[in-house]
Parts: sequence; C-alpha cells; structure tokens
Amino acid sequence: KQEVTQIPAALSVPEGENLVLNCSFTDSAIYNLQWFRQDPGKGLTSLLLIQSSQREQTSGRLNASLDKSSGRSTLYIAASQPGDSATYLCAVPGGSNYKLTFGKGTLLTVNP
Amino acid sequence: DAGITQSPRHKVTETGTPVTLRCHQTENHRYMYWYRQDPGHGLRLIHYSYGVKDTDKGEVSDGYSVSRSKTEDFLLTLESATSSQTSVYFCAISLSGLYEQYFGPGTRLTVT
Repeated sequence: KQEVTQIPAALSVPEGENLVLNCSFTDSAIYNLQWFRQDPGKGLTSLLLIQSSQREQTSGRLNASLDKSSGRSTLYIAASQPGDSATYLCAVPGGSNYKLTFGKGTLLTVNP
Repeated sequence: DAGITQSPRHKVTETGTPVTLRCHQTENHRYMYWYRQDPGHGLRLIHYSYGVKDTDKGEVSDGYSVSRSKTEDFLLTLESATSSQTSVYFCAISLSGLYEQYFGPGTRLTVT
C-alpha cells in the first residue's frame, strides 16, 4: 500500500527566503506526482504535475523535482512571499482507479 | 481554473436523514472522484467514476452511494447521515486516469 509522508508538518520563514518542502513515498512504481496548494477553507489548487520520466518541472517561482528510485520529491519555492502562506500537499496516483494518495501536507507561513 | 462546481457549499443536517451532494463539471473529463478531508486523516477517496454509469468504490465507501447519469454530473448520496460523516467533501476530475486531477471548491457538511 502506497504511503506518502511530508516533512516538515509546519514551516515558518521570513519573506524573501528560498525554501524546500519534502515529500516521500514508499512505492516507487509511480506514474507521476502532483503538488497542490490549499488555502484555509478552500479547495486544492494544482501547482505542478511531474511525470515519472521527468526529473524536474518548473512554474514561475516553483520548481518540483522527482527521484523515483529514492522515493522522494521536493518542491522548491524561490523568494517566498506572504501570499505563499498555505498548506502544500503532494499526491501520487495508484491502483486501477488512479486514485490519489495524499501526504498530510506542510503548513507554510511566510512572515512579512 | 477547471470548471468544477459543487453544491451545496455548506449544509447542516440531522442524523438519519439522506443527503445528496452534487459535482458539476464543464470540462468533459472522463474521470470524476469524491474525496473527504478530515483532520488527522488527510484526503481519502470515497467513490470514483470512469464514465457515465461506470462507478466503483474507494477506500471509505461505507454509507455512501454515487450516481453518474451524465458526463458532467457526479452525485454523492449519504443514505442515512451519521455524525462520523461530518467532513469536507471534495470532487475532482481528470481527463484520463493518469492526467492531472483538478479539485472543486468543496462542500462542508455537518451532521448533528
């Protein structure tokens, strides 16, 4: 059974800092990995989808990397801003229904 | 943003009453999913659909049923609501099983 872990559970940084969020998964036979952002009381916004054949995917100040063999992905946020404050979730699809298995998320607070 | 709406957005109901939540999409995506999100458990799959009238169970399907009579609509029914079904319910869609999943805004359900 796939398990997804995100460390740290919470992170507080000053504005402008570069930061890395971590995601690990137990079954390396994944098709892709998706990073989401969730603001309090809101739905999930897809940030990046990184395919199993890719090592990196970039969108603006966000860069996601994937190392299937070690079961790890990182989300790098450059020059963090207070508006980046949210919970960040990673998820991998699996099984015949491609359901997403989610980590519990990292709560990011960027202080002005 | 993916064209996904959920209704109602908030609902309070009493134990033992049936409740139906609706997910509507304008993207013509084949796959639709219902997840619930609870503190300490994260997001878990309830049911999913891979086409009109094609549905199957997820990991926490007891007490729930679904129907999909049109591509754009996926209904989740709580046959007899219980307090343990108090949660935030999210609908998601995907063009194909291994493509990006997009989430709706969620429905907050409280069962008293």
